Amino acid sequence: AAGVIQSPRHLIKEKRETATLKCYPIPRHDTVYWYQQGPGQDPQFLISFYEKMQSDKGSIPDRFSAQQFSDYHSELNMSSLELGDSALYFCASSFRSHQETQYFGPGTRLLVL
Amino acid sequence: GNSVTQMEGPVTLSEEAFLTINCTYTATGYPSLFWYVQYPGEGLQLLLKATKADDKGSNKGFEATYRKETTSFHLEKGSVQVSDSAVYFCALSDRRETSGSRLTFGEGTQLTVNP
Repeated sequence: AAGVIQSPRHLIKEKRETATLKCYPIPRHDTVYWYQQGPGQDPQFLISFYEKMQSDKGSIPDRFSAQQFSDYHSELNMSSLELGDSALYFCASSFRSHQETQYFGPGTRLLVL
Repeated sequence: GNSVTQMEGPVTLSEEAFLTINCTYTATGYPSLFWYVQYPGEGLQLLLKATKADDKGSNKGFEATYRKETTSFHLEKGSVQVSDSAVYFCALSDRRETSGSRLTFGEGTQLTVNP
């Protein structure tokens, strides 16, 4: 079965640079979620989108923005990167009628030097 | 706000031992409860879920029962295998009128099973 696809899988950036993470949800899924997992920590919710509109917002820094496109893929844009942004970034998707069950992608590991 | 508390790890067991990982939660309303597993270097995989009180979720020999009276969702397995070594996360989702039910995770419990 098709799963959530994230790209790139690994990313290395310098401080103050920008990064764009992409997420392709499971086909027919209309909701996308972004989470950040620091080293040895639990995932923290950042933001979610339903039908291309922001549906919920968590602890996402103002330096980050995200959107969901007409084909339901989503991009997380991160600017003025800081060392503390080094983490594993997960995307998850769900379908409206089963919105409680989220399926996660493999994650993008971001390292800021 | 919502919160999830898991038993402190790491947990080390011998193969075929009985496993229990405790999970308690605080939430308004009636959340759905989940266990996710994260193998080294991989993403989060849904292990099992329960959406209402007294529901039992089960998968791959693991099971957990939604206990509203004790606000708990403890994970159990009768006989663990080396391949079960991973980090286990308990999580809850608060139900909302609109789509976008964020997950709140516990701290995670590292399980190591030795042969």
